[in-house]
Amino acid sequence: QKEVEQNSGPLSVPEGAIASLNCTYSDRGSQSFFWYRQYSGKSPELIMFIYSNGDKEDGRFTAQLNKASQYVSLLIRDSQPSDSATYLCAVMEYGNKLVFGAGTILRVKS
Amino acid sequence: DAEITQSPRHKITETGRQVTLACHQTWNHNNMFWYRQDLGHGLRLIHYSYGVQDTNKGEVSDGYSVSRSNTEDLPLTLESAASSQTSVYFCASFDGNTGELFFGEGSRLTVL
Repeated sequence: QKEVEQNSGPLSVPEGAIASLNCTYSDRGSQSFFWYRQYSGKSPELIMFIYSNGDKEDGRFTAQLNKASQYVSLLIRDSQPSDSATYLCAVMEYGNKLVFGAGTILRVKS
Repeated sequence: DAEITQSPRHKITETGRQVTLACHQTWNHNNMFWYRQDLGHGLRLIHYSYGVQDTNKGEVSDGYSVSRSNTEDLPLTLESAASSQTSVYFCASFDGNTGELFFGEGSRLTVL
């Protein structure tokens, strides 16, 4: 069973700042990594995925992957109060099964 | 629009009762999953299926079963509910073309 670790937070940032969310994983052979956002009482929704080392940008979001260090991060630029949510990191196992971290709570203060 | 739906959204039951949570998707995805979400544990995989008549145990399968008689549905059954099964349950289906896992709205189960 692969393990995915996240700091539970809460991570508090002021509006307009960059929020940096981190995740480490145990299986060096992992290939696919996902970030989901979950608002309180709602289901998780995909923000973005990353397969290759380096950065991947999508709007205000940037995912960063470092396979040598077994770490993946999500940067949120120009953070807005609407970004306040729990962010879940997930790693794909064989058979398209996702293993999730416990999530990091992000609070953006206006 | 294609979607994934769960029912009931909220249920309260008593210890020892059998409970079934329904999950229905209209995307015709083969891969479907059931997760439970508890504070401090994140999402944990209960059971999953890769197609009709295929079912597999996940990380926390004890006390749960699933069946897959058609592509659209993967009901989750708690044979004899226990208080430890109080949780929020999410069904999900996987789009093999995009690599995205789509979640239902969740079912909140309370076992008294």
